[in-house]
Amino acid sequence: SQQGEEDPQALSIQEGENATMNCSYKTSINNLQWYRQNSGRGLVHLILIRSNEREKHSGRLRVTLDTSKKSSSLLITASRAADTASYFCATDSGTYKYIFGTGTRLKVLA
Amino acid sequence: GAVVSQHPSRVICKSGTSVKIECRSLDFQATTMFWYRQFPKQSLMLMATSNEGSKATYEQGVEKDKFLINHASLTLSTLTVTSAHPEDSSFYICSAEEQGRGGGYTFGSGTRLTVV
Repeated sequence: SQQGEEDPQALSIQEGENATMNCSYKTSINNLQWYRQNSGRGLVHLILIRSNEREKHSGRLRVTLDTSKKSSSLLITASRAADTASYFCATDSGTYKYIFGTGTRLKVLA
Repeated sequence: GAVVSQHPSRVICKSGTSVKIECRSLDFQATTMFWYRQFPKQSLMLMATSNEGSKATYEQGVEKDKFLINHASLTLSTLTVTSAHPEDSSFYICSAEEQGRGGGYTFGSGTRLTVV
């Protein structure tokens, strides 16, 4: 299976703390995206990082990409209860068919 | 920004009946749309790529005759679950990308299908 893997599978932190999620994938990619999904809802696009980029920021989000290790990380700083959701990475190997990781369920406690 | 509308959001049907799910790009044209399936607390699994004006491309293990996809216009793709069974109960999500936008795919809000 080409599905990526994310760790941890579940993460519980206190409000104000930082949350880090990691994504590993198996094949070479054109780009990698991170999405958020609230329970039972559709996905919200967070960040796209291209294979020639190493780091991107968007507000409280920071994404890194290490193509040599085939891995990416998503850091959420100063987390809030509203950040509670599942987070998925998705990779495109040039076919525009995105393969999703297994996801990390983040719970931010108020 | 790009908006993808998916309808219905929830549907309950009896075993043996068929259910149609619509995916519309509201403010952009999409020659390609994607259909995903998600089981509870699991990731999204790509089912098929919907191509406007041509046959859909199905992923390995996805039954073409069971999951009929029609992409008749640049703004609409439909997924029909035929002769539904309880094991087809799942969350189905479509996605599309606005051409030239390059900012990631926009997902519909999903359809929760329950087959009883």
